[in-house]
Amino acid sequence: DTGVSQDPRHKITKRGQNVTFRCDPISEHNRLYWYRQTLGQGPEFLTYFQNEAQLEKSRLLSDRFSAERPKGSFSTLEIQRTEQGDSAMYLCASSFGTELLSNPLHFGNGTRLTVT
Amino acid sequence: AQSVTQLGSHVSVSEGALVLLRCNYSSSVPPYLFWYVQYPNQGLQLLLKYTSAATLVKGINGFEAEFKKSETSFHLTKPSAHMSDAAEYFCAVTRNNFGNEKLTFGTGTRLTIIP
Repeated sequence: DTGVSQDPRHKITKRGQNVTFRCDPISEHNRLYWYRQTLGQGPEFLTYFQNEAQLEKSRLLSDRFSAERPKGSFSTLEIQRTEQGDSAMYLCASSFGTELLSNPLHFGNGTRLTVT
Repeated sequence: AQSVTQLGSHVSVSEGALVLLRCNYSSSVPPYLFWYVQYPNQGLQLLLKYTSAATLVKGINGFEAEFKKSETSFHLTKPSAHMSDAAEYFCAVTRNNFGNEKLTFGTGTRLTIIP
C-alpha cells in the first residue's frame, strides 16, 4: 500500500491558463474522489468515479472543470481558463468497494493551486 | 441533505488537558459520522467512525467520540492532550444507505497545544 499519490504538489499559474492534476489511487481501489479545500474551509466534494464511470458531479464543478479516469486507474482533473477563485488545495481520495463505512477514504497530500 | 457544524474554528488546550472538539450533524436519515485529522501539508487521515453498533467510538491516538442522537452531536475527545495532537480536525457525515457515497465535511477546528 503506497498510498494515494498526487502530482504536482504545487502549481502556480497565471489567470487564463489551463492546468491538469493527476491522482494515482491505491491500486485495488475502485472508487476515486476529488475534493477542493480552500483556506479555512473543509474539503468540498467535486466528483467521484467508480472504476472509469463518473457517477456524480457537484454543482461546484463548472464547465471549466473536467475529470477523467480512463481504464479505472489514475485520474486527471483539468481546469481550463483558470480564475483566481480556483486557487485552492485539490484533494484526491480513493476507497475500495461501495460503502464508505466499511471502506473509508484514503486521501492524498493534495495539489495546491495558486492562480496569479 | 446532510451537513455537519463544527463549533469553534480554533481550540487551544494545555498539554495534558482534556481535548473536546464539537460537531453537530443534520441529517434526515440515520447518518454515518467520521472524524478526520489533517497535519500540515498532509492529506486527511481517518481518526474514527460511527457505525451505529456502539454510541461510544474509539479511534486512533487515544481519541474517542460519542454519538448522541438526542443532541445530534458527535463530539471528539481525548483525556490528555499531547503536543503531537496539534492539527486540524474535520467532522464529516454521509447517509446511512447505499447510493450516496460521498462525505460532507465541516469547516474544521484547528487544535493548538500549549506546552
